[in-house]
Amino acid sequence: AQSVAQPEDQVNVAEGNPLTVKCTYSVSGNPYLFWYVQYPNRGLQFLLKYITGDNLVKGSYGFEAEFNKSQTSFHLKKPSALVSDSALYFCAVRDNTGGFKTIFGAGTRLFVKA
Amino acid sequence: KAGVTQTPRYLIKTRGQQVTLSCSPISGHRSVSWYQQTPGQGLQFLFEYFSETQRNKGNFPGRFSGRQFSNSRSEMNVSTLELGDSALYLCASSLATVNEQFFGPGTRLTVL
Repeated sequence: AQSVAQPEDQVNVAEGNPLTVKCTYSVSGNPYLFWYVQYPNRGLQFLLKYITGDNLVKGSYGFEAEFNKSQTSFHLKKPSALVSDSALYFCAVRDNTGGFKTIFGAGTRLFVKA
Repeated sequence: KAGVTQTPRYLIKTRGQQVTLSCSPISGHRSVSWYQQTPGQGLQFLFEYFSETQRNKGNFPGRFSGRQFSNSRSEMNVSTLELGDSALYLCASSLATVNEQFFGPGTRLTVL
């Protein structure tokens, strides 16, 4: 069965510092991995995805994520955090064996302090 | 291109009633998924439709049902509402399995 774990409920980081939001997954086949962000009073927005190819994927707003097959992880990173990055971040996984459902992690709230 | 639209945006019902929520996907998107979002449970998968066929269903009771029409618009129905059904119901559309999902603003359902 598919599952996604985001081990941290909350991540606090100072503006200008690098940030990492962690995600590990379990899926039967090869995974399709996604990161979404939810800003206050705004809908969920797509940030980036890994389907195949280069393990480092780049997305919107300067975010990137690294796919690590051996550790079954897909951590979200940004070299320099902005206060405006403060939001709720969701990792999601979809298997490619025809399961036809996307499972989301519980979410990690990111606070960036000025 | 217009985004995913959901109607109504807010709904207040009482226990025992039923409710129907509507979702219009982005033009050209044939896959529509529904999720329930609550503070305690996060985003829970309800079901996914593709070309009018339900391809998968989450772990929700039979009171939750849905359908997709030939124009890809989708509806979900919840019968015999319970207090615990109060949540934000999100609809998302995508082109295909490998593609990202685009989410609507959600319908906030309150059950009194």
